[in-house]
Amino acid sequence: DAGVIQSPRHEVTEMGQEVTLRCKPISGHDYLFWYRQTMMRGLELLIYFNNNVPIDDSGMPEDRFSAKMPNASFSTLKIQPSEPRDSAVYFCASIPGVSMNTEAFFGQGTRLTVV
Amino acid sequence: GENVEQHPSTLSVQEGDSAVIKCTYSDSASNYFPWYKQELGKRPQLIIDIRSNVGEKKDQRIAVTLNKTAKHFSLHITETQPEDSAVYFCAPQGGYSTLTFGKGTMLLVSP
Repeated sequence: DAGVIQSPRHEVTEMGQEVTLRCKPISGHDYLFWYRQTMMRGLELLIYFNNNVPIDDSGMPEDRFSAKMPNASFSTLKIQPSEPRDSAVYFCASIPGVSMNTEAFFGQGTRLTVV
Repeated sequence: GENVEQHPSTLSVQEGDSAVIKCTYSDSASNYFPWYKQELGKRPQLIIDIRSNVGEKKDQRIAVTLNKTAKHFSLHITETQPEDSAVYFCAPQGGYSTLTFGKGTMLLVSP
């Protein structure tokens, strides 16, 4: 397996534009997490899914952020409209099994810059 | 949800010294205690973990110790090397907790 795959690796966009980040979890993993990482706030959990169903989206900063998981092999995180303060590295991670009490596997991240 | 705190936030040591990072958590139902290492520009990756039925686990120069009563666990690195320089995260799991990470500890090992 190629691991968790995120795209794009880098994204530079202008303020006000829509941004879509993509994630392909490891096949067979039941949990998928989206994180935002900044120097000031560390790794913030935005939302997580279990078997494609959103379980906890309390970390989503505001209505400009939305996430979907239409099937077990694909998830998107969308920001519309984007703002400079959204600039960060966004990670996707997946966990196998019925219980989430095991290793999390991270994608390589998407570095988002909003100018 | 789980409240996770790490100390210290930064740690500078000389090569060959030992380093200890502590993680405290709030959810008494937590039963899985991993440590992740994130090198500059890379993704976090698991380096060692422990489950609640064990008090200590060692893997070469790294070890993790667990005190469930006091709700904390620690990462120990002995004979530190420059390649140990990274940010280290704890992420206690179990019970009602989601996958919440500590704020991270930046370890700098000077040659």
